[in-house]
Amino acid sequence: NAGVMQNPRHLVRRRGQEARLRCSPMKGHSHVYWYRQLPEEGLKFMVYLQKENIIDESGMPKERFSAEFPKEGPSILRIQQVVRGDSAAYFCASSKGYEQYFGPGTRLTVT
Amino acid sequence: GENVEQHPSTLSVQEGDSAVIKCTYSDSASNYFPWYKQELGKRPQLIIDIRSNVGEKKDQRIAVTLNKTAKHFSLHITETQPEDSAVYFCAASIKNQAGTALIFGKGTTLSVSS
Repeated sequence: NAGVMQNPRHLVRRRGQEARLRCSPMKGHSHVYWYRQLPEEGLKFMVYLQKENIIDESGMPKERFSAEFPKEGPSILRIQQVVRGDSAAYFCASSKGYEQYFGPGTRLTVT
Repeated sequence: GENVEQHPSTLSVQEGDSAVIKCTYSDSASNYFPWYKQELGKRPQLIIDIRSNVGEKKDQRIAVTLNKTAKHFSLHITETQPEDSAVYFCAASIKNQAGTALIFGKGTTLSVSS
């Protein structure tokens, strides 16, 4: 049973470009969460989705960030017009109940 | 909203000693409290969790205790080994239900020296 998958593992973008991060949940899991981790800090909740629905986006910046979890395919976190402050590790997690299991993360570097 | 505080931020112990990490939370609606271990450059790994209807849970050398009245919970690692060295995060659910965001503490860097 494959774990949570994320790609790409590393992403370099220039300021102003778009970043697309993908997350495939564990088989049988219908809940997907995105978290951001800055260097030497904890994980900050961004958004919680189920298939075709955003359940809680209270942690997501109002501008430039969006997320989706379509009926088919992975969940996508999109960051438009990236800035240097967006450089971080972005983790997604999935669950079918309480326990959340994390993917390996995407390390975004904005130059 | 929910706030989770974690102490200490760093902890150094000798191999074989015990390590204790403490967290407090603010929202009485929280009912699920997991602990994650993260090694450098790796994903957070769920190591143990506890729900609010339980006061203590143990899994081999790891145990977690919960005091709902005082709103604090702790991770206990006994007989520490060098491979226990990592950053440990506590977390609390923001709602009283499965399928809810987690609010994390800032982490504790545990160093176990042999």
